[in-house]
Amino acid sequence: KNQVEQSPQSLIILEGKNCTLQCNYTVSPFSNLRWYKQDTGRGPVSLTIMTFSENTKSNGRYTATLDADTKQSSLHITASQLSDSASYICVVSAGSARQLTFGSGTQLTVLP
Amino acid sequence: EAQVTQNPRYLITVTGKKLTVTCSQNMNHEYMSWYRQDPGLGLRQIYYSMNVEVTDKGDVPEGYKVSRKEKRNFPLILESPSPNQTSLYFCASSRMGFDSPLHFGNGTRLTVT
Repeated sequence: KNQVEQSPQSLIILEGKNCTLQCNYTVSPFSNLRWYKQDTGRGPVSLTIMTFSENTKSNGRYTATLDADTKQSSLHITASQLSDSASYICVVSAGSARQLTFGSGTQLTVLP
Repeated sequence: EAQVTQNPRYLITVTGKKLTVTCSQNMNHEYMSWYRQDPGLGLRQIYYSMNVEVTDKGDVPEGYKVSRKEKRNFPLILESPSPNQTSLYFCASSRMGFDSPLHFGNGTRLTVT
C-alpha cells in the first residue's frame, strides 16, 4: 500500500529562524513528489513539484530536496515569516494514473 | 482570476437527505478531482475525472457520486448522507501533464447530523 509519512507532526519556531520538514514515502512506481502549503480554512497551494531526476527545487524561501534512492524528501524554509504559519503537505504521485497519496502534513507555527 | 469555486462553503444537513456540492473551474483544465480531509488522515481522494464523461474512483468512493457533463463543472453528490461523511471537502483541477500542480478550491465543510 502506498504511504507518505511526514515529520514532525507539528513544529513551533521563532520568526527569522530556518526549519526543515521531512517526508518519507513508499510509493511505487514513483512519478513525482509535491509540496503544498495549506493555510487554515483554505485549500492547499502548490509550492514545488519534483520528478525522479530532480534533487533540488526552490521557490523563493522554500527549497525542496528529493533522494529517490532512500525515498525521502525535505522542505527547507529559510528566514521564516509569520505568514509561513500553515500546514505543509507532502504528496507523491504514482504511475501513469493520477493517483496521489497525501501525507498528513506538518503544522508549522511561526511566533514573533 | 484563475480559480476553482466550490459551493457552499458550509453545509449542515440530516442523515439521508440528498445533497450536491458544486465545483467549477475557469482554467480549461481537463483533470478534476474531489478529496475529503479529516484530522490525522490527510487528504483522501474520492473521485477524479480526466475529461468530460470520464470519471474514476479514488481511494474512498463509497457513498459518493460524481458527474462530468461539462469540462468546467464536477459536482459531488451524496445520495444518502451519513454522519461518517462529516468532513472538509476539497475540489481540485489541473492540466493533464504529470508535473502540473493541482489548483484547489477553498473547501466545503459538511456536517451530517
